[in-house]
Amino acid sequence: AQTVTQSQPEMSVQEAETVTLSCTYDTSESDYYLFWYKQPPSRQMILVIRQEAYKQQNATENRFSVNFQKAAKSFSLKISDSQLGDAAMYFCAYRERGLFQKLVFGQGTRLTINP
Amino acid sequence: GAVVSQHPSRVICKSGTSVKIECRSLDFQATTMFWYRQFPKQSLMLMATSNEGSKATYEQGVEKDKFLINHASLTLSTLTVASAHPEDSSFYICSAGQGVGSSYNSPLHFGNGTRLTVT
Repeated sequence: AQTVTQSQPEMSVQEAETVTLSCTYDTSESDYYLFWYKQPPSRQMILVIRQEAYKQQNATENRFSVNFQKAAKSFSLKISDSQLGDAAMYFCAYRERGLFQKLVFGQGTRLTINP
Repeated sequence: GAVVSQHPSRVICKSGTSVKIECRSLDFQATTMFWYRQFPKQSLMLMATSNEGSKATYEQGVEKDKFLINHASLTLSTLTVASAHPEDSSFYICSAGQGVGSSYNSPLHFGNGTRLTVT
């Protein structure tokens, strides 16, 4: 079964600085999707960014970008110009191909923004 | 954007009663919906995959007789916690993908979750 590992339970960063959240995954598939979701205190799951495994180019969404290393099975999230509103739990997720295409989550990283 | 409505947002019940949680896709059809459980300060654990018109597929270790899932239509899935006990207290979240047999590259849309407290 596919697994997703986030080795940083907590991270903190100064407002306006850059922070990188780590994620590794294990799969024998060659084609899949990876996602980063944000869960603020409201507990609503918010999609931050997604990456297609067959694309070499790293995805970017405004201040959010990823470093996707397929061979290393690594998928880190970089947040630039951190803002107070970025404080949340961040979950890395893998979506498998197959009949049900379920989403498997990592353990999460709690990000604190220091003003 | 796609919206998933989950109801109720919060429920408190007495031990031994059953609780039903509804998950609706408001502006799209969802052949498949997923039910997750989240303990405090932990990740989302997939409980089961709900398929319209057929039996749900449960993850290993999830009691299918305790967590009853019904996917009655392309826009509605329900999770019933049967004879709830305090250990069932948790945060439950549903999610759905757009389209029939939605592509794995489309993101899942999540409901706002239900906080269940069993006293």
